[in-house]
Amino acid sequence: EAGVTQFPSHSVIEKGQTVTLRCDPISGHDNLYWYRRVMGKEIKFLLHFVKESKQDESGMPNNRFLAERTGGTYSTLKVQPAELEDSGVYFCASSQGQGRHGELFFGEGSRLTVL
Amino acid sequence: GDSVTQMEGPVTLSEEAFLTINCTYTATGYPSLFWYVQYPGEGLQLLLKATKADDKGSNKGFEATYRKETTSFHLEKGSVQVSDSAVYFCALRSRDAGNMLTFGGGTRLMVKP
Repeated sequence: EAGVTQFPSHSVIEKGQTVTLRCDPISGHDNLYWYRRVMGKEIKFLLHFVKESKQDESGMPNNRFLAERTGGTYSTLKVQPAELEDSGVYFCASSQGQGRHGELFFGEGSRLTVL
Repeated sequence: GDSVTQMEGPVTLSEEAFLTINCTYTATGYPSLFWYVQYPGEGLQLLLKATKADDKGSNKGFEATYRKETTSFHLEKGSVQVSDSAVYFCALRSRDAGNMLTFGGGTRLMVKP
């Protein structure tokens, strides 16, 4: 069974440009999460989808970030326009249930470098 | 809000040494506690978990006990190997926080032969 896959693995862009990150969750997982780790600090929650609906987007830093999950399958996270402080590693995770006991399965992350 | 504090690294040990990585938390209610590990070039993997007080999670020789009285979930291993070199993240999920995972800052472990 394929795990969570993310693309690209590394993206280098200039300030002001746009980048779109993609996440394919494990098949059958309704819950999809985005997290990011900036500058070697804590991994911070960004948002949570249940199928195609945004369940919680309280962690999204500002309106330059747009996440979508059309059809409830893969998800994209667009940063437009990118700023220097957006550099970091963006992780996607998926799970079957939402309960606090459950395991989240993570992808390898997409490293974003904004110059 | 919820928070997790873990010891800063890097932690450098010789092979077969004893490992402890401290983790303490602040949370409302009764969270579940997790240790995730990220090996070089790979994604985060669940290492072990504990869902209630006094539970002990264990996997691959690693152990951690959910201590409610000290709000701690320290990770231990009796004899580390070079292959254990990785970044270790302590995390919690609480119902009061919408069941989102809250992570600590991560601790890099380097094991030398």
